[in-house]
Amino acid sequence: GQNIDQPTEMTATEGAIVQINCTYQTSGFNGLFWYQQHAGEAPTFLSYNVLDGLEEKGRFSSFLSRSKGYSYLLLKELQMKDSASYLCAGLDSNYQLIWGAGTKLIIKP
Amino acid sequence: DTAVSQTPKYLVTQMGNDKSIKCEQNLGHDTMYWYKQDSKKFLKIMFSYNNKELIINETVPNRFSPKSPDKAHLNLHINSLELGDSAVYFCASSPATVRIMTEAFFGQGTRLTVV
Repeated sequence: GQNIDQPTEMTATEGAIVQINCTYQTSGFNGLFWYQQHAGEAPTFLSYNVLDGLEEKGRFSSFLSRSKGYSYLLLKELQMKDSASYLCAGLDSNYQLIWGAGTKLIIKP
Repeated sequence: DTAVSQTPKYLVTQMGNDKSIKCEQNLGHDTMYWYKQDSKKFLKIMFSYNNKELIINETVPNRFSPKSPDKAHLNLHINSLELGDSAVYFCASSPATVRIMTEAFFGQGTRLTVV
């Protein structure tokens, strides 16, 4: 079966760094996405990885290891506005997104 | 209401395959473009069409062939894909024949990965 696993909730301190992990099992693989979703809002795209390695975008970076079926999202210099759910999603061979349940990130002052 | 739409958004394919990217604009613009953006580089123009006629054809391999069935559509067909073709391809349109990026409306991009 297809499955995306990520922690349910994490807590971090403003200004710190946090890493949100995701493991995936999909039928075929055409990439791994990270989305941010604030409460009551639609998910917004953060990153897309299809090749191994780290992709950096400002304070956010995403890493992929295809051989391990593993990805992480790294958030640096945390701000209160980063409090949100972070969704990991794999793109399978039919280009269908398989979603994780999301990791609720709580930022404390 | 999508102004410039291109499909697919993501394309992962093997070397040697042939693939197409479609683009449509509903802005009534006369000019459409294809740009290629390699990682961490500026957008580079590949082709420009004005009212279905090719007006710019930068140094691009013959494997890349644009097709404009009407002024609202500009599709990009790529033959015999190579690893170096991996990039994000942007379609854009503008109301006049210009090469200035800021005056063009861009689609969301098609991220092509050749493996």
